[in-house]
Amino acid sequence: GAVVSQHPSWVICKSGTSVKIECRSLDFQATTMFWYRQFPKQSLMLMATSNEGSKATYEQGVEKDKFLINHASLTLSTLTVTSAHPEDSSFYICSARPRLPDSNQPQHFGDGTRLSIL
Amino acid sequence: KNEVEQSPQNLTAQEGEFITINCSYSVGISALHWLQQHPGGGIVSLFMLSSGKKKHGRLIATINIQEKHSSLHITASHPRDSAVYICAVKSGGSNYKLTFGKGTLLTVNP
Repeated sequence: GAVVSQHPSWVICKSGTSVKIECRSLDFQATTMFWYRQFPKQSLMLMATSNEGSKATYEQGVEKDKFLINHASLTLSTLTVTSAHPEDSSFYICSARPRLPDSNQPQHFGDGTRLSIL
Repeated sequence: KNEVEQSPQNLTAQEGEFITINCSYSVGISALHWLQQHPGGGIVSLFMLSSGKKKHGRLIATINIQEKHSSLHITASHPRDSAVYICAVKSGGSNYKLTFGKGTLLTVNP
């Protein structure tokens, strides 16, 4: 089945550091990738929608300059948390929608990145 | 109020029991997903359906569009089924955004 690889799976770093998370579709091309944030025992919350070759669309309340998204190819999107602070500590997970004509293809999810800012 | 409500929030069962998890939504949708999230955090898509019923192994998903309700059933449950099960809906339109329920934590004891 379709596989989405997310890296790293776990990051601990000091406050003020910028952290880059990669999301790769391994066996399919992804027109659209989604970035989510999940707090403990909470729903996934969509942060932004990333389309290959164009600017990401951010959800209300998500700071564009804080969470930089780049979708340079049909198989790779990156999320950079700039100048991370303890309140940015969370579980970040990406998903990818296959580049197929069928609009009802399911999204495929990565394994997530647990980010801890000290 | 969340647009997607799941029940129960927590469910404990004995191995072999039949499990039902419910999902109700308040918006018009084009598709509903059932997802499984294991303790490590990774998410697996179990089903995507827009009508009727789908079956995969011991898992069955049903949806009633008129009643805006879906159920996920697990037959002959096993401890390895222990996970969080999440219902997510995709509204109409081309943006493919999903709205998620809070999930149901299922624990199956041996």
